[in-house]
Amino acid sequence: QVRLQQWGAGLLRPSETLSLTCAVYGGSFSGYYWSWIRQPPGKGLEWIGEINPGGNTNYNPSLKSRVTISVDPSKNHFSLKLNSVTAADTALYYCSIRSIISNTVDFWGQGTLVTVSS
Amino acid sequence: QSVLTQSPSVSGAPGQRVTISCTGTSSNIGAGYDVHWYKQLPGTAPKLLLYGNNNRPSGVPDRFSASKSGTSASLAITGLQVEDEADYFCQSYDSSLSVVFGGGTKLTVL
Repeated sequence: QVRLQQWGAGLLRPSETLSLTCAVYGGSFSGYYWSWIRQPPGKGLEWIGEINPGGNTNYNPSLKSRVTISVDPSKNHFSLKLNSVTAADTALYYCSIRSIISNTVDFWGQGTLVTVSS
Repeated sequence: QSVLTQSPSVSGAPGQRVTISCTGTSSNIGAGYDVHWYKQLPGTAPKLLLYGNNNRPSGVPDRFSASKSGTSASLAITGLQVEDEADYFCQSYDSSLSVVFGGGTKLTVL
């Protein structure tokens, strides 16, 4: 069974860079997009972006200028960097795996609460 | 502001039927992309509830069903139970190569 374990800093000051990493256990890179999704407190889900098996990335147009998603296939890890954060970036961040075939988000990490505050 | 629009809340008594709507545009739901539904309990990650418009993963009861028409989709829950109380999200894909979600609907079982 696939399991995602994520980690990263939970408290940032405005203008700093958010950095999260996700390890994928029990699964492979093939057939899936490795994605990041966030959820502000009490609000809905927002897709941040993803990386596909070929290493190509797709980003949410509203965040594209600040986001970088990368992968280390040798470790089955993928990472998120979001620069120049503001209070509006405060959210629960999930790493996830989306099926290329069905487009469903089949697996989720446990979530990391990132708070941006001065 | 979510790309897909859902009503913020819906409620019903045990045993009743409720529906949750999800409205998109011609670049996502209206473009023919499938709509999927997720259930989120407090403090947990969302979990896939229905996929490909009306397919249920193993373990999901047939009280849950979905449909799609034009630029909208809906989730129906019949025989409402207390354990159905949760947040429900719709998800689709967009021609801009983006995954899109609804803002979520909070279901309260009275």
